[in-house]
Amino acid sequence: EPEVTQTPSHQVTQMGQEVILRCVPISNHLYFYWYRQILGQKVEFLVSFYNNEISEKSEIFDDQFSVERPDGSNFTLKIRSTKLEDSAMYFCASSPGQGNIQYFGAGTRLSVL
Amino acid sequence: AQSVTQPDIHITVSEGASLELRCNYSYGATPYLFWYVQSPGQGLQLLLKYFSGDTLVQGIKGFEAEFKRSQSSFNLRKPSVHWSDAAEYFCAVGKGGSTLGRLYFGRGTQLTVWP
Repeated sequence: EPEVTQTPSHQVTQMGQEVILRCVPISNHLYFYWYRQILGQKVEFLVSFYNNEISEKSEIFDDQFSVERPDGSNFTLKIRSTKLEDSAMYFCASSPGQGNIQYFGAGTRLSVL
Repeated sequence: AQSVTQPDIHITVSEGASLELRCNYSYGATPYLFWYVQSPGQGLQLLLKYFSGDTLVQGIKGFEAEFKRSQSSFNLRKPSVHWSDAAEYFCAVGKGGSTLGRLYFGRGTQLTVWP
């Protein structure tokens, strides 16, 4: 069964450093998403991406964040200058565009020290 | 404002017992409703979804959920729990009639199953 793949599974970084979280969505999907879950809190929406541009972003997704689909398979989330409060599990999701069914990856745990 | 409430943070049941996980939502339009399950080290796996029509929906692994518009609820049920059902369960709501859009999640309910 096709699945969303995220790498790495765990990323440790120093505060102020840039990180790139990588995702390979399901191949025929058209819509792509990033969510995050801070420990003990709800899964929160960050951004959606369609047709090579951002469709919607939340108030969390400020200028420190960016997304890119550099080729036909990868979908990345970049955090330019990480803060302690960016420590969270980051989930990538993709959707074929039918009924907004979103399929999630296993997540990348980001630890900012 | 859109929100999802899962009032039970942690539920413990014995194997073979029935299960009901509660979910209430607040949404300004017709919602799409989802239940996801997350096992340790795994992603969020879709259990079932409700878009329209029959208010009782069947999902994978023997789960079902019932949409009650009057109560703004979408509770998840299983008649007989298996030890492998131990996981965290998330209820989510999205915009009905849309092909895309953010999902709003509840905090999750951690299910422990006693042998």
